[in-house]
Amino acid sequence: KAGVTQTPRYLIKTRGQQVTLSCSPISGHRSVSWYQQTPGQGLQFLFEYFSETQRNKGNFPGRFSGRQFSNSRSEMNVSTLELGDSALYLCASSWEGTGEFYGYTFGSGTRLTVV
Amino acid sequence: QKEVEQNSGPLSVPEGAIASLNCTYSDRGSQSFFWYRQYSGKSPELIMFIYSNGDKEDGRFTAQLNKASQYVSLLIRDSQPSDSATYLCAVRNAGGTSYGKLTFGQGTILTVHP
Repeated sequence: KAGVTQTPRYLIKTRGQQVTLSCSPISGHRSVSWYQQTPGQGLQFLFEYFSETQRNKGNFPGRFSGRQFSNSRSEMNVSTLELGDSALYLCASSWEGTGEFYGYTFGSGTRLTVV
Repeated sequence: QKEVEQNSGPLSVPEGAIASLNCTYSDRGSQSFFWYRQYSGKSPELIMFIYSNGDKEDGRFTAQLNKASQYVSLLIRDSQPSDSATYLCAVRNAGGTSYGKLTFGQGTILTVHP
């Protein structure tokens, strides 16, 4: 069974540019979450999608957005990049039934560097 | 108060000892609790989850949950150098405004020395 696939693995962007990151969840997983990880802040929740609907959003500015497609694949977009957006962006997916959730499986992440 | 707090590290234990990792959470509506391990340069991987009060054992790992005290812990028996990693506690409330959100603590760095 293939794991969670994130592309690209590494990105270098210039301040002011925008970037789109992609995530393919494990087959059958309909819940996809995105996290930002930095040494100082740890794992910060960005947003969570289930069956194409955003169920929750973290405390990030509107420059951070995401979406989920009908095949559960997800993308996140960051517009007008700032130096502080440099981080590891992790996507995670999970199977979820009624009242059942057994934790997320994480992808390898996309390392974004803003210069 | 942080939503999920872990005991400050780093924690250093000798090989073969028991490592004890602790976590407290603030949301009384939290329903499920997870421990992840993250090696340097890698993404987090799920070790265990626990839903009910009490202990849950899986090999050398035991998760303990006390909802009344809002406390969850992870014990690693017979610690090995390969257990050296950052351990992340995560909490999920499947209702209300937190629905769908898994909140992580800052992590505790564990070093097991030979």
